[in-house]
Amino acid sequence: KAGVTQTPRYLIKTRGQQVTLSCSPISGHRSVSWYQQTPGQGLQFLFEYFSETQRNKGNFPGRFSGRQFSNSRSEMNVSTLELGDSALYLCASSRTGGTGRVDEQFFGPGTRLTVL
Amino acid sequence: EDQVTQSPEALRLQEGESSSLNCSYTVSGLRGLFWYRQDPGKGPEFLFTLYSAGEEKEKERLKATLTKKESFLHITAPKPEDSATYLCAVQAPYTGAGSYQLTFGKGTKLSVIP
Repeated sequence: KAGVTQTPRYLIKTRGQQVTLSCSPISGHRSVSWYQQTPGQGLQFLFEYFSETQRNKGNFPGRFSGRQFSNSRSEMNVSTLELGDSALYLCASSRTGGTGRVDEQFFGPGTRLTVL
Repeated sequence: EDQVTQSPEALRLQEGESSSLNCSYTVSGLRGLFWYRQDPGKGPEFLFTLYSAGEEKEKERLKATLTKKESFLHITAPKPEDSATYLCAVQAPYTGAGSYQLTFGKGTKLSVIP
């Protein structure tokens, strides 16, 4: 069974640009969550999507947005990039998203974003 | 606000030297506690889920335990390939509107020296 895939794996952008990252969940998984990982802050929750609806959002500015498609694939977008947005962006999928039961999240390899 | 604290931040062990990593948490109504392993430049790899105090799970040289306030990841006779950052995360109760998010600790970086 294929795992979570993320594209691209590496990105270099300059301040002010925007970027779109893509995530394909494990087949059959309907929940997709996004996290930002930095050395200082660790893993921080960005948002979670289930059946094309954003159900939860972390404490990040509106420059960070996302969406989910009918096939459960998800994208996240960061507009007006800042130097502090340099991080590893991780996508995780789970079967039901925790509705009524605990559901393990499985992570992709991440996209390393560098903002110059 | 949910809090997860892992200690120590870093741990160096000789090959074969057993030890434990700690994850203490404050969360109202824990639904699940998760352990992950992360290698440099890669995404976290799922290891265990613990649901209630007293529960234990094992996988090869790793054993995870859970109390009402903390979890331990015991590593028995570690090998160099066990070197990685170990992350702990908690899930609070589902609130109906969609509350499936994990709160992560900052991890323990384990180095096992041959």
